[in-house]
Amino acid sequence: DAGITQSPRHKVTETGTPVTLRCHQTENHRYMYWYRQDPGHGLRLIHYSYGVKDTDKGEVSDGYSVSRSKTEDFLLTLESATSSQTSVYFCAIRGESPNEQFFGPGTRLTVL
Amino acid sequence: QKEVEQDPGPLSVPEGAIVSLNCTYSNSAFQYFMWYRQYSRKGPELLMYTYSSGNKEDGRFTAQVDKSSKYISLFIRDSQPSDSATYLCAMSATGTYKYIFGTGTRLKVLA
Repeated sequence: DAGITQSPRHKVTETGTPVTLRCHQTENHRYMYWYRQDPGHGLRLIHYSYGVKDTDKGEVSDGYSVSRSKTEDFLLTLESATSSQTSVYFCAIRGESPNEQFFGPGTRLTVL
Repeated sequence: QKEVEQDPGPLSVPEGAIVSLNCTYSNSAFQYFMWYRQYSRKGPELLMYTYSSGNKEDGRFTAQVDKSSKYISLFIRDSQPSDSATYLCAMSATGTYKYIFGTGTRLKVLA
């Protein structure tokens, strides 16, 4: 357990509404990541952060924004949710070694 | 073509069998290789990792990397029903902070 929590764990929302997912870590790791996981696609990187206020895009960043104002929190925002953003979202941190990436429990998001 | 290819399975084996899970990749810059286990409705759990080529053993699990063939493997000896899960490979290149994942192989170990 790398001390990662995600909230909410489940959410159902409607198309066009804004949604914010929160990732919280307790171990002061520098690197944090947001992925989505879909059948047939595996885990795909949305955005990642390499420090407070330092973020960069991943391979599926369209429609998503992120913010990191504190080391421990990394927020993922869907400005206007679409049905194609229905997915399971995982937050992750990188540990001491580049080989070590640890995941949170996930948020299951359904956009109707 | 995806950077990392992994057979989705499902792979069904009897309890006690040796399981071989594999990934191929195309980016020769990958140096860090990882295997994750993911149970249904849970987050991926880091199982094993290796750097560059070679083997690494941890209990019933062995990870192998063949960089010349761009091929990595995870072997599970004496498989147990509790090993039933999806296994994901992941890779990263030196100097980057991004990881590329395979789509995962679903394994079922039958009691």
